[in-house]
Amino acid sequence: DGGITQSPKYLFRKEGQNVTLSCEQNLNHDAMYWYRQDPGQGLRLIYYSQIVNDFQKGDIAEGYSVSREKKESFPLTVTSAQKNPTAFYLCASSLGVEGRLLYGYTFGSGTRLTVV
Amino acid sequence: GQQVMQIPQYQHVQEGEDFTTYCNSSTTLSNIQWYKQRPGGHPVFLIQLVKSGEVKKQKRLTFQFGEAKKNSSLHITATQTTDVGTYFCAGLVSGGSYIPTFGRGTSLIVHP
Repeated sequence: DGGITQSPKYLFRKEGQNVTLSCEQNLNHDAMYWYRQDPGQGLRLIYYSQIVNDFQKGDIAEGYSVSREKKESFPLTVTSAQKNPTAFYLCASSLGVEGRLLYGYTFGSGTRLTVV
Repeated sequence: GQQVMQIPQYQHVQEGEDFTTYCNSSTTLSNIQWYKQRPGGHPVFLIQLVKSGEVKKQKRLTFQFGEAKKNSSLHITATQTTDVGTYFCAGLVSGGSYIPTFGRGTSLIVHP
């Protein structure tokens, strides 16, 4: 079955350490996205990529980095520069855009990162 | 930046009662999407509305897009405990980037 896989489900790290969250999709989707979800804050966009080897900053990119070397993979690194990294991180993918029509997102099951 | 306001933030209902959540944008939207996130889960795409005044139904769920394409609503008739979760709208601004802006969501709590 096609889908989008995030790993691990739970992640604990010490303050000051970088950590990389995995996101893999086999849906053949061009576009991939990273969101951060905090209680009462909804979904905030960190980075997105609409094509391989290209990505754009979202609303809260500071302290994060990404790469898009393969269509299937869009890993997110939470660096020590991120002031408040403890959150629920969601990866999503979509077919992108056709004309002005935006295809719906398929979300992964998320990674809960706790920094202590 | 462009915002999509969603109200209410929380809604408690008795099982069998109706529920409505509203999304409002200060700018015209080219389309709007709705997602549902169960507790502890991830958002799942429900539907997309594109046309002015559009109404779509999925069983007990009715989605509307306003005539001016600045607001939208999701109405659930006769709620069930399986409807529990947070409902998000995501609006795409006309003439803007191809990245939708998510509302903060409405959490629905259904009491049996």
